[in-house]
Amino acid sequence: GIQVEQSPPDLILQEGANSTLRCNFSDSVNNLQWFHQNPWGQLINLFYIPSGTKQNGRLSATTVATERYSLLYISSSQTTDSGVYFCAVGNTGGFKTIFGAGTRLFVKA
Amino acid sequence: NAGVTQTPKFRVLKTGQSMTLLCAQDMNHEYMYWYRQDPGMGLRLIHYSVGEGTTAKGEVPDGYNVSRLKKQNFLLGLESAAPSQTSVYFCASSYPPGAVLNTEAFFGQGTRLTVV
Repeated sequence: GIQVEQSPPDLILQEGANSTLRCNFSDSVNNLQWFHQNPWGQLINLFYIPSGTKQNGRLSATTVATERYSLLYISSSQTTDSGVYFCAVGNTGGFKTIFGAGTRLFVKA
Repeated sequence: NAGVTQTPKFRVLKTGQSMTLLCAQDMNHEYMYWYRQDPGMGLRLIHYSVGEGTTAKGEVPDGYNVSRLKKQNFLLGLESAAPSQTSVYFCASSYPPGAVLNTEAFFGQGTRLTVV
């Protein structure tokens, strides 16, 4: 099955700093999502991005499907950005969505 | 539009007890999934269903059973709960990969289960 690797595993930022989170995957995909899990455990859909670039406010994501990676950019980070960021992928052959281990982000005030 | 709803949200079981977690979705999705999340880890797939009346095993299926009698519902059962099944359980639903342009998965709020 597909392997999903996220980096870095942990990240501490000062409020206002920018960051880039990476997701590498081992096979071609037709489904890639980024989620934020907040401190209360809720999973929040950030982007559905099997290819290309999308932006939503301070967040943007880029997926280069041919090179099997995706990047999540967080600009001007805020304390409310703290939590765990997951990348999840799927393909037609697997019929299922597989998660990476996540990047744990803490933004200091 | 409720999306994906899980019940219950919290539960404490004694070892050996049984219970059923219910997942309901109102988006007419074909695919439904059950995941578990243990502390400090990502989500691992327990079972999934590609349509009404069908189920399949995921990465960690042992100790669980599922049923998909109606398209909108996906049930996860624990016949004899064990402390190792203490976890947060998430249900999700989606369209089939390739069937429509957007195969985004939508998740429920989670069920926190403790087995003592």
